[in-house]
Amino acid sequence: DAMVIQNPRYQVTQFGKPVTLSCSQTLNHNVMYWYQQKSSQAPKLLFHYYDKDFNNEADTPDNFQSRRPNTSFCFLDIRSPGLGDAAMYLCATRASGESSYEQYFGPGTRLTVT
Amino acid sequence: LAKTTQPISMDSYEGQEVNITCSHNNIATNDYITWYQQFPSQGPRFIIQGYKTKVTNEVASLFIPADRKSSTLSLPRVSLSDTAVYYCLVGAGEYGNKLVFGAGTILRVKS
Repeated sequence: DAMVIQNPRYQVTQFGKPVTLSCSQTLNHNVMYWYQQKSSQAPKLLFHYYDKDFNNEADTPDNFQSRRPNTSFCFLDIRSPGLGDAAMYLCATRASGESSYEQYFGPGTRLTVT
Repeated sequence: LAKTTQPISMDSYEGQEVNITCSHNNIATNDYITWYQQFPSQGPRFIIQGYKTKVTNEVASLFIPADRKSSTLSLPRVSLSDTAVYYCLVGAGEYGNKLVFGAGTILRVKS
């Protein structure tokens, strides 16, 4: 089945130690998103790629970076994680140009910062 | 992007119809309305999308009045497994690639 895969599902990192979360998709969608979701809060968009074009949200901290080496893969790099970065990180994809605005979400990676 | 307002939580019983209303007073002409469902520790899942009037699929209906300043998600005959957070999102047009999640509604279905 076509899907959005996130690895790892659970990630523990130390305060200030860089960490990378990965997302892959078999849907061949050209738009990919990264969301941060803290406990009992709604997902918050960090940035998205339209093909190779990177679109950063104005309030996304510089500590968060992203890479999209090809259509299938997208990475979220947190350069110096703080305790406040502990959250669920969700990757999603969408096919632009279609009449549906449905985003397909992965299962998420839960990040713990110690 | 249009801001959305939903009730924080709702309670229902199995077998009942549940209607969740979302306000989006500053919706733009080319904005679509989309609803997502999210279970704990899972990514959100698309439920339904609409632009105006009524849309129905196998799991829900979406009612949108003529002024499009609100929308109502209708879940027929809910079960315990429908207990989740439901998000109303409004967006499209030049922001067609970007959807902003509102606070969401926690639906609790009781037996």
